[in-house]
Amino acid sequence: DAKTTQPNSMESNEEEPVHLPCNHSTISGTDYIHWYRQLPSQGPEYVIHGLTSNVNNRMASLAIAEDRKSSTLILHRATLRDAAVYYCILLRGSNYKLTFGKGTLLTVNP
Amino acid sequence: DGGITQSPKYLFRKEGQNVTLSCEQNLNHDAMYWYRQDPGQGLRLIYYSQIVNDFQKGDIAEGYSVSREKKESFPLTVTSAQKNPTAFYLCASSSGTRNSPLHFGNGTRLTVT
Repeated sequence: DAKTTQPNSMESNEEEPVHLPCNHSTISGTDYIHWYRQLPSQGPEYVIHGLTSNVNNRMASLAIAEDRKSSTLILHRATLRDAAVYYCILLRGSNYKLTFGKGTLLTVNP
Repeated sequence: DGGITQSPKYLFRKEGQNVTLSCEQNLNHDAMYWYRQDPGQGLRLIYYSQIVNDFQKGDIAEGYSVSREKKESFPLTVTSAQKNPTAFYLCASSSGTRNSPLHFGNGTRLTVT
């Protein structure tokens, strides 16, 4: 399985940027890096994904290290609604067995 | 709108009874997944299916069974053999390609007493 490692929890203040790290040292050349977030009592929702280049969308930015062994999800201005568990996973085309870790619980302080 | 529907949202059963959780998608996705989540924990993979009439065990398949007779449906049966069935169950689907996102349902919270 393609394994990722994330901190258990992080804290931020409202309207400040948040950088959520993810290590994936066993990533292979064709693995895509995906990020999802889960609000309490809801299913996870897609945030962003990328392969090699940094990516931006309306929700967040994804910065991928040059060696691809780590990535960082960037929330440019955290809001209270961004408080959630954030998961980083690797998608491998030949492997449908998608496993999630415990993710990072992000707390946003007003 | 396309999406995944899980029903019911809450389900209560007595110990010793089998119960089936529904998962339907209209996204035309080939791959479907079932995950279990316990309080404060991440998602653990129960079963997954790459295509109709095929499915594979995940990490915690014991006490569960699935079927995939139709592309849009992937029901999960929690059998009486599952020792600790009370949990939050999540269904997901994807096109199966690396650069397409997973879509999740809103889950079924099962309580067995």
